[in-house]
This record gives sequence, structure tokens and C-alpha cells, in this order.
Amino acid sequence: KNEVEQSPQNLTAQEGEFITINCSYSVGISALHWLQQHPGGGIVSLFMLSSGKKKHGRLIATINIQEKHSSLHITASHPRDSAVYICAVSDERKTSGSRLTFGEGTQLTVNP
Amino acid sequence: DGGITQSPKYLFRKEGQNVTLSCEQNLNHDAMYWYRQDPGQGLRLIYYSQIVNDFQKGDIAEGYSVSREKKESFPLTVTSAQKNPTAFYLCASSIYGGETGELFFGEGSRLTVL
Repeated sequence: KNEVEQSPQNLTAQEGEFITINCSYSVGISALHWLQQHPGGGIVSLFMLSSGKKKHGRLIATINIQEKHSSLHITASHPRDSAVYICAVSDERKTSGSRLTFGEGTQLTVNP
Repeated sequence: DGGITQSPKYLFRKEGQNVTLSCEQNLNHDAMYWYRQDPGQGLRLIYYSQIVNDFQKGDIAEGYSVSREKKESFPLTVTSAQKNPTAFYLCASSIYGGETGELFFGEGSRLTVL
């Protein structure tokens, strides 16, 4: 079982729909990241959070530390939101190598 | 504008050849990282550097080498010892080391071994 599980793997929506992508993890963490990978391959950091909720424009990220779960919501989705969304957790146990464990990503397609 | 520049975007290599991927940043970040991305897998750390003239192996360093002679530059060499080098490579940086804080990524380099 992967330490970071995202669901769904693929998601197709119509423009304007409310979208939720989920991330569950199994380790103790110091922070969780949501990243967006656009079709060209480059990655942009959307959020870094360790508790509660953050909002930026139409994007909202929430985290429940007790349940080891985070969600990324997109309101009023648009075709330009089509991308791969990646969850990554910073493992508080690790002192060498990579502290970040990345999920496999969720491919989102928003149709006009 | 500040950011990370990777080159080349696409690279083809014959088996047995070494290739070097470039990564330059003008964000004045101390820490830089190289990740590998394969289909159906999460990103994996190859090497990281928290300061000039110092770097550490990540989780999959075998067959790769790096240098950090300047703060702005962190080139990755994929050597002939890397058994399966075809992949998408991403360079990233952060103000602080240890992958703490926000990460800034380049656009990536896609390496194909013929």
C-alpha cells in the first residue's frame, strides 16, 4: 500500500462543476502539499498546509490531521483547470533522503 | 521574472552515453533538487543540495551524478550506469533545505534512450 493515495485517478467534469480530489496518507506528517502539473510537464505549487483550510481564488484545500486526509476543491471549474493534481506529504520521521512522498496524481479533464 | 530554467526540454541518447541536464534558478534559493517522474508513479528524489559545494543522495541516486559549484546552478548527469534512464526529470528549488517550505519547479526535461 502506498503511503500516499489519491482518488480518483482520473476525473472528467463539465465546465462549471464543483470538483473534489482526495488524498489519504498513512504516516505522520509535518506538512502536505498540493501541486498542479500542466500538460507541458511543469509543476506549480498550489498549497502547503499543516492544518485547517486554505483558499486561493477558486481553489480550496483542507486537511484533517486526525483522519490523515486532505481534499482539494475547485469551484466553478474551467477547461484551463485541466491538469494533473499531485498530493505530497512531508514525512516527519525522515531525516535523510526525501522527506516528501508524492502521490501518483489525479488527471483532471474539464470539458467546455 | 524569477524562476527555474531547465534545458533541454527533450533529449535523445544512445545507450552507453552520458548526458547532462541543466538546471538554473534566479530565485536566490539555497536548496535545489532533482526528481524523476515515471508513468504511474509519484516523483522520486535523485539528489539534493542545501548549499553550494554540498549535495546528498536521494532515494534513487544510482547511475546519476550532480555538482553544485554555483548557487544558481545544479546540473544532473545521467551516466551510462543508469539502467533505465528514459524518464521525465524535474528540477526544483526552495528557500530552505530538507524540502521544507514551498517548492518551485522547472518545466522538466524528457530523456529518451534509443
